[in-house]
Amino acid sequence: ETGVTQSPTHLIKTRGQQVTLRCSSQSGHNTVSWYQQALGQGPQFIFQYYREEENGRGNFPPRFSGLQFPNYSSELNVNALELDDSALYLCASRPTGEAGYTFGSGTRLTVV
Amino acid sequence: GQQLNQSPQSMFIQEGEDVSMNCTSSSIFNTWLWYKQDPGEGPVLLIALYKAGELTSNGRLTAQFGITRKDSFLNISASIPSDVGIYFCAGNFGNEKLTFGTGTRLTIIP
Repeated sequence: ETGVTQSPTHLIKTRGQQVTLRCSSQSGHNTVSWYQQALGQGPQFIFQYYREEENGRGNFPPRFSGLQFPNYSSELNVNALELDDSALYLCASRPTGEAGYTFGSGTRLTVV
Repeated sequence: GQQLNQSPQSMFIQEGEDVSMNCTSSSIFNTWLWYKQDPGEGPVLLIALYKAGELTSNGRLTAQFGITRKDSFLNISASIPSDVGIYFCAGNFGNEKLTFGTGTRLTIIP
C-alpha cells in the first residue's frame, strides 16, 4: 500500500480555468516532487519542495505553482489551463537521505 | 523535457521467459532507479542502484549500474503474469529531480 495519497483521482476542467491538486505524504518525507505524465510518456519533473521551500524546478511555466505544508501535505496549482495540460499528475515523496521516491496513484486531469 | 533512452520500447514474451531491458543517458547519474507502472497507478520502485558497477537483486529482478554511470539494465527471470506493465528507468544526480526513461511495455502472450 502506497504511503502517498492524491486527490482527486480524476478531474475535468475547462480551458482557462484553474485547478488545485492535493497530495498527502508519509510522515518524515521532507521532500516532495510533482511530475506530469502525458499518455505514453515517462513522468516529467515539474518541481520539488524541501521543508516548504521550492528547491528545484523543471521546464514548466510559472502558471504551475506549488505549496508544501508542515504536515507533509502539498498542492500543485495550475492557472489558465490549456488543452495540453491534460495528463496524469503524480506526487512523489522521500525521506531525507534516500534516493527512492514513493509515488502516489496520481490525478488524471482532462482539460476540455 | 529530457527523457532517457530505453529499449526495447515493447516486449511480447511467453510466461517463464527471461526479460532484459536497458536504459542509456547522455549524462552521468549518481543513482539509477527502476520503477514499474500498472494502468491507472503511479510508478512503484523496484530497485535502487547507488554505485557505478553495482549489481543488485530483488527476487527475480536483477539490475546493474553501468560503470560509465550513463547506463543501466534490468533483467527479470522466469516471467509471470503479474510482471505485465510498463517499466521505467530513472536517473538522479544529487538530491534533485528524477529523469525518466521512455518506458518498456511488457506483455505476456498466453
